[in-house]
Amino acid sequence: QITLKESGPMLVKPTQTLTLTCSFSGFSLRTSGEGVGWIRQPPGKALEWLALIYWDDDERYNPSLKSRLIITKDTSKKEVVLTLTNMDPVDTATYSCAHFHDLRGLDVWGPGTTVTVSS
Amino acid sequence: DVQMTQSPSSLSASVGDTVTITCRASQAISKYLAWFQQKPGKVPTLLIYAASTLQLGVPSRFSGSGSGTDFTLTISSLQPEDVATYYCQKYNSAPLTFGGGTKIEIK
Repeated sequence: QITLKESGPMLVKPTQTLTLTCSFSGFSLRTSGEGVGWIRQPPGKALEWLALIYWDDDERYNPSLKSRLIITKDTSKKEVVLTLTNMDPVDTATYSCAHFHDLRGLDVWGPGTTVTVSS
Repeated sequence: DVQMTQSPSSLSASVGDTVTITCRASQAISKYLAWFQQKPGKVPTLLIYAASTLQLGVPSRFSGSGSGTDFTLTISSLQPEDVATYYCQKYNSAPLTFGGGTKIEIK
């Protein structure tokens, strides 16, 4: 059974860097076609895909946020880390990680973590 | 980048109605299209992948069709528990763009 869970700060100040960790189980992230993605959703707004890291370390980013995002993985720890620099109040959102499979897409999601950006 | 356009943005229907949501890609994406259901206060759950394949455990009243640029999600016999916002998403290649969402309410 695949599970994922996000962790990180609930509150960050403007200009700070946000670091979120996705801890997963039920898969290894060493299988061809597999990956972990990050998605966010500001309050009352639509879903926005942020980044994806594949089993082979290939990284993909939302072009509108690419300069601020870094995604990394540690398969031995079963963790994927997302970093978003220069946080702004408009980055206030629920951030979720999800298991990706190239045939099914983002098929299993974590419960999400809410991040507020405020001074 | 490929844009995903969903319509309508919201709809109200009666229990038992058949409801159809459309999703259009600005470029062909073959069948790499997923549909998600998001209930209030929850993260999305996968309903359909590969445009028409039902995820395990999803009721058979949900169905998907389409390929290339035009896709539909159909809910036959709408139930009260189907009140949610529905999103489409392309996943053939990055960026994995979502549609803008369709909010379904019960009349």
